Amino acid sequence: DAKTTQPPSMDCAEGRAANLPCNHSTISGNEYVYWYRQIHSQGPQYIIHGLKNNETNEMASLIITEDRKSSTLILPHATLRDTAVYYCIVPTNDYKLSFGAGTTVTVRA
Amino acid sequence: GAGVSQSPSNKVTEKGKDVELRCDPISGHTALYWYRQSLGQGLEFLIYFQGNSAPDKSGLPSDRFSAERTGGSVSTLTIQRTQQEDSAVYLCASSLRGGSTTAVDTQYFGPGTRLTVL
Repeated sequence: DAKTTQPPSMDCAEGRAANLPCNHSTISGNEYVYWYRQIHSQGPQYIIHGLKNNETNEMASLIITEDRKSSTLILPHATLRDTAVYYCIVPTNDYKLSFGAGTTVTVRA
Repeated sequence: GAGVSQSPSNKVTEKGKDVELRCDPISGHTALYWYRQSLGQGLEFLIYFQGNSAPDKSGLPSDRFSAERTGGSVSTLTIQRTQQEDSAVYLCASSLRGGSTTAVDTQYFGPGTRLTVL
């Protein structure tokens, strides 16, 4: 998988937006950016993915820079249940996913 | 709709025993994947099933590990003569079409089975 870089941790206040950055400077033109999260003791949960355009679904928004070298996952109104490890990945054209260290997000009341 | 389900959620076994882990993929998904995640470690790919094609078993760590997928739906991962290093969370995922050399398909994960080998 193309290498991604994420901050190791971040805190967020409940009810506020959480903006999670990810750098993927070696991304190729046809590679997607995927975001998953893993809440403690649960399986990874798919959040969102995108190629070039910004994407939004019921969970989050994904903003991808024009040069595609970085992206930001936005949780619009963080809740305590959003506390998790968030993984930004750029899968190669393959099916073997691998996660890095991710960003540990702690939402505080 | 229903997501990927796995059973049991927890399994404690003694070294040398065989275990079977079950995965029910999302209905209609043709691709099924097994991974494992050791404490504090990332995902480790184990095996991939896609339709009627021969499975990709390249990630299985030893011949003690095997998996089958019956009827293109339910899958069972079997670990024979379990060892303490097999202790991990075993995750199953499914996707609609499966990945290829030209495209990646979104994988949806189950809750995992936590295996502890004493």
